[in-house]
Amino acid sequence: EDQVTQSPEALRLQEGESSSLNCSYTVSGLRGLFWYRQDPGKGPEFLFTLYSAGEEKEKERLKATLTKKESFLHITAPKPEDSATYLCAVHPLGAGTALIFGKGTTLSVSS
Amino acid sequence: NAGVTQTPKFRILKIGQSMTLQCAQDMNHNYMYWYRQDPGMGLKLIYYSVGAGITDKGEVPNGYNVSRSTTEDFPLRLELAAPSQTSVYFCASSLYGSGGGDTQYFGPGTRLTVL
Repeated sequence: EDQVTQSPEALRLQEGESSSLNCSYTVSGLRGLFWYRQDPGKGPEFLFTLYSAGEEKEKERLKATLTKKESFLHITAPKPEDSATYLCAVHPLGAGTALIFGKGTTLSVSS
Repeated sequence: NAGVTQTPKFRILKIGQSMTLQCAQDMNHNYMYWYRQDPGMGLKLIYYSVGAGITDKGEVPNGYNVSRSTTEDFPLRLELAAPSQTSVYFCASSLYGSGGGDTQYFGPGTRLTVL
């Protein structure tokens, strides 16, 4: 069965304290892996798409990486405005158009 | 571009009532989706559409219906609302849905409570 597991469920950081969020996945084949940011009461906001192992993408303080079994979202020197829930989703081969979402990691950054 | 818009933002229904959640996109995307998000759970796909006149079931379709008469609009109909349908509903769209993992863009959501 295709599934996505995100860890940790919650993460508290001090401003400037770098860390990583993990997304491990089990799929028969991968079309793409997506990272979204979701603020309270809002819809998911697209961050990155990764397609193949070894691929990396960066945006401001965020960097996403991909291996054959997991993806990491690295947050460098986070600021309070980076506080949000980060969602990981995979698009398996043969799954039509359906994405499988993890439950998310809620990040809190304090100043 | 407004992107994906949803109305209403909030709604309270009584058990057995019906309602339609509206979704529109102005990006000329072919694919549109409806998800529900329950506390502590990942988003679950309810229905999706690959183009006007074509819809298909997702993972959790029971209790819902959809139609797609235009490229821009994809309403979700709840018939005979039940407390189990209390959730936050998100509409999303993508240009295409196959071949390389297409990015889905989400609306702001509709928070529905059934009492």
